[in-house]
Amino acid sequence: ETGVTQSPTHLIKTRGQQVTLRCSSQSGHNTVSWYQQALGQGPQFIFQYYREEENGRGNFPPRFSGLQFPNYSSELNVNALELDDSALYLCASSLRADQETQYFGPGTRLLVL
Amino acid sequence: GNSVTQMEGPVTLSEEAFLTINCTYTATGYPSLFWYVQYPGEGLQLLLKATKADDKGSNKGFEATYRKETTSFHLEKGSVQVSDSAVYFCALTSYQKVTFGTGTKLQVIP
Repeated sequence: ETGVTQSPTHLIKTRGQQVTLRCSSQSGHNTVSWYQQALGQGPQFIFQYYREEENGRGNFPPRFSGLQFPNYSSELNVNALELDDSALYLCASSLRADQETQYFGPGTRLLVL
Repeated sequence: GNSVTQMEGPVTLSEEAFLTINCTYTATGYPSLFWYVQYPGEGLQLLLKATKADDKGSNKGFEATYRKETTSFHLEKGSVQVSDSAVYFCALTSYQKVTFGTGTKLQVIP
């Protein structure tokens, strides 16, 4: 059973650019959630996807968007990057039947200059 | 909105000391409560959970009891080890939204 993987591990972008982060869910998991974790803070919920549809969203602007694919892998897209977008981005997968037990990936650290 | 408040760290303990990390919450509905742990250089791992009032979650010697009357979910361990050094996050889930606390760093010294 493979765990949750994310790519890339690190990324540097400049303000105004766009970025795509990728996540491969744990085998058999059909629900994925994305989080932003600023340095020294707890993760902040961005959104959740189930069966390729957004299934819940936190307080993030529309320039944060996502996709979930039929194989349950997913992407987080951030447009018009701002300096405050610098953070660790985590994805977590779970089963729809047990959404509360989430398995986290190691994260992608994004630095916006 | 929902919120989770944890005691601020860092917490430094000697090996075999008793650990308590306080966590209180505010939430609508009937949240489930969690403790996650983040070891240095690793991702978040679920440590334990409780889904209704008076439930006790336990794992690896850690325990926490869902106290609805005090809206608390304090994490305890009777005897900590150096390997328990990590950042601990309290969290809740309500209506498919997850809210985390800011984390408490624990350092256990030999």
